[in-house]
Amino acid sequence: KQEVTQIPAALSVPEGENLVLNCSFTDSAIYNLQWFRQDPGKGLTSLLLIQSSQREQTSGRLNASLDKSSGRSTLYIAASQPGDSATYLCAVRRPNQGGKLIFGQGTELSVKP
Amino acid sequence: EAGVVQSPRYKIIEKKQPVAFWCNPISGHNTLYWYLQNLGQGPELLIRYENEEAVDDSQLPKDRFSAERLKGVDSTLKIQPAELGDSAVYLCASSLGTSLGETQYFGPGTRLLVL
Repeated sequence: KQEVTQIPAALSVPEGENLVLNCSFTDSAIYNLQWFRQDPGKGLTSLLLIQSSQREQTSGRLNASLDKSSGRSTLYIAASQPGDSATYLCAVRRPNQGGKLIFGQGTELSVKP
Repeated sequence: EAGVVQSPRYKIIEKKQPVAFWCNPISGHNTLYWYLQNLGQGPELLIRYENEEAVDDSQLPKDRFSAERLKGVDSTLKIQPAELGDSAVYLCASSLGTSLGETQYFGPGTRLLVL
């Protein structure tokens, strides 16, 4: 059974700091891994999607890496801003399960001005 | 372009009462998902539709939960009767299909509180 874990559960940093969020999964047989952002009282917004054959994806100040063999992904946020405050969730997609995503429990990020 | 629309946004009911949630996916999206999100947890899939067919409902508690997607567009998720443990956020998502690289677009969710 695929399990996805995110550490830490919560993180508070001062504005301008670079930070790394971690995601680990138990079964390396995945199609892809996605990072989402969730603001309070709102749905999820997709940030980055990494296919299993890729090592990383970048979008602006965000960089996500994938090491499938070790079952790990990291989301790197450069020069954090208060507007980055949200919960960040990673999710994996497994073969032969349609579009089903298996989510971690999320990391709640707070960036202090 | 309008995103995924869900209603109501909030619902408070007493236990043993019925409740229904409605979802309107993004136009043209054939695949629709219902997820359950408990406080402090990631979403868990309840059911997935391809057009009007439920192709994955293995996680749906069928004794009290039901869902339908008539005409392959809007969908309704129902709980009858509701229990205290059903208090959670119910998220609807849609995608064009399920091919690799397809992104799911999520609605804002319905926050349910069962008293």
